Order: sequence, then C-alpha cells, then structure tokens
Amino acid sequence: NAGVTQTPKFQVLKTGQSMTLQCAQDMNHNSMYWYRQDPGMGLRLIYYSASEGTTDKGEVPNGYNVSRLNKREFSLRLESAAPSQTSVYFCASRVDQPQHFGDGTRLSIL
Amino acid sequence: DQQVKQNSPSLSVQEGRISILNCDYTNSMFDYFLWYKKYPAEGPTFLISISSIKDKNEDGRFTVFLNKSAKHLSLHIVPSQPGDSAVYFCAASADNNDMRFGAGTRLTVKP
Repeated sequence: NAGVTQTPKFQVLKTGQSMTLQCAQDMNHNSMYWYRQDPGMGLRLIYYSASEGTTDKGEVPNGYNVSRLNKREFSLRLESAAPSQTSVYFCASRVDQPQHFGDGTRLSIL
Repeated sequence: DQQVKQNSPSLSVQEGRISILNCDYTNSMFDYFLWYKKYPAEGPTFLISISSIKDKNEDGRFTVFLNKSAKHLSLHIVPSQPGDSAVYFCAASADNNDMRFGAGTRLTVKP
C-alpha cells in the first residue's frame, strides 16, 4: 500500500521553464492538497481539491496551477518557474483528519 | 502573517526524560490542532491531535495540552527515546482544508 506517491523526487529547472509535479494516492481519499516548505517556515498551502472536479486557492497560490485529473491524481504546474519557487513540495490527501503526506519533491530553480 | 508559531527551533533532551514542545497561535477561529513528526527526506507523519472542546489528549507516550485562553498548545513526550529525534510541526485549522503550520522544532534525544 503506497499511500501518497509524488514524482519526481528531485528536479532542477532553469528560470522560465515549465514543470508539472505529479501526485497520486491509493487510499480513495476525497481531498488532496499541495504545500511548499521553505527553510524557517512551516508548510504553506498552495492549492487544494476538496473533491474530484473542484480546486481552490490556498495561502500561496500565485505562480501555480493545479489539475485534479481524477479521484487519485492531483498535479501541480509551474508555467514559468522562478527562483523564488525553489522549495520542497509536499502533496497530501485525506478523507477525514489527519492529512497523509507524500515524501516530497525537492525543486531547485536556477 | 504566521498564525501558528513554534518559537523554539531546537530542543535537546536526555533519553528517558520528558520532552516538551510548545506552540502558540493567533487565530481564535482555529478549532482543531495537530502535531506531525518529520524525518529527513520523508513527508510529515501524523502524531496526535486535539479538538478545541478538549484540553488534553493522550496516546501512549504522547500527550497534547491545549490552553485556549492563552492560545497555546504543547506536546509532551514521556519518556523520550532516541527514535523520537525528528522535526515536530504544530498545525491548526479553522476549517478542514486550510491548515496552518508552525515552522517546526527539531528535537534531539541523546542516549
């Protein structure tokens, strides 16, 4: 039972490149989330999807788009990457509290 | 603005002793609080939670205390074990989706 799977685990991009981070969960959870974690700060919510077919902005949505492809998958897209988006990105899912997290994608933008 | 604050970036404790991790919040609408534990290169894993209708919740060696008037919660680990060494995040939410996290406290338990 894999839980929440994120791909890739690491990625280096150049400024201006685009990238899609993938997330899939096998727990039949309704809600899915994308967070970023930066040094000295907690996880900050970028976007979430409370159910299949819906998405909503979180605390820091600027520069990102999301797609809830189906119940299992929720992707995060950077259309034109900026150095300020260098971070570790975590996907999470839940049916009730608590949220279950993937192991993260470490993204560096040069 | 950081609505959830963990003012101690690190804490070092001797094995067998008590570890106390603290967390303060500013938003009085928060009604559900959680602690997560995180090892390097892994995602956060849920540890324990408490709803605002309670002031204490226990699960084995872990106890969370909530003081609503002070907007303060704490996590007690007794006895502390070397395997407890990790980063601990406090989180709070007013609805089920918008969860706010503290910056984390790195706990080191020395043998």
